[in-house]
Amino acid sequence: QKEVEQDPGPLSVPEGAIVSLNCTYSNSAFQYFMWYRQYSRKGPELLMYTYSSGNKEDGRFTAQVDKSSKYISLFIRDSQPSDSATYLCAMSEIQGAQKLVFGQGTRLTINP
Amino acid sequence: DGGITQSPKYLFRKEGQNVTLSCEQNLNHDAMYWYRQDPGQGLRLIYYSQIVNDFQKGDIAEGYSVSREKKESFPLTVTSAQKNPTAFYLCASSILGLNTEAFFGQGTRLTVV
Repeated sequence: QKEVEQDPGPLSVPEGAIVSLNCTYSNSAFQYFMWYRQYSRKGPELLMYTYSSGNKEDGRFTAQVDKSSKYISLFIRDSQPSDSATYLCAMSEIQGAQKLVFGQGTRLTINP
Repeated sequence: DGGITQSPKYLFRKEGQNVTLSCEQNLNHDAMYWYRQDPGQGLRLIYYSQIVNDFQKGDIAEGYSVSREKKESFPLTVTSAQKNPTAFYLCASSILGLNTEAFFGQGTRLTVV
């Protein structure tokens, strides 16, 4: 079993839809949770960062962490074609990027 | 502009040849990383370095080597011992310690024929 599981998709939705992307994990020591967005043939860029449980909102994006269920989510409201990308969850037990564990990535397409 | 530069963007090599991928950063970050990305497998850590002249193996270091002679540079050599070298290679850097964000380069697509 992988330490972090993410549905690879692909996921295709119409423009304006609410998108839900999810990851589950097995390591209860993870405390730092991130979502990266990766456009085709580019490097990932950090989208959201959350420490411990709870919600964090940034514009159309909301990140949720449920440590009791070992489950994290990224919601995208009013999705746009420019949101089409691969979304990678990442987590770490410690501060610092040397121990990041990534999910497989979910490929998302927003259709105009 | 500050950032991480990987070169080349695409690289083709014959089987059995060593090849070196370049990674340079001007963000003044202490830590640098090399990841490999394969379809359906996410990112896997190859090597990382937190200080000049020091580096540690990641999860899939076999068949790879690195050096860190300068803070700005962290080249990766894919050796002939790497059994399946065709992949997308990503270099990243971060502030050491409190910051968990890794900044990524644009990647190098290596194809071995």
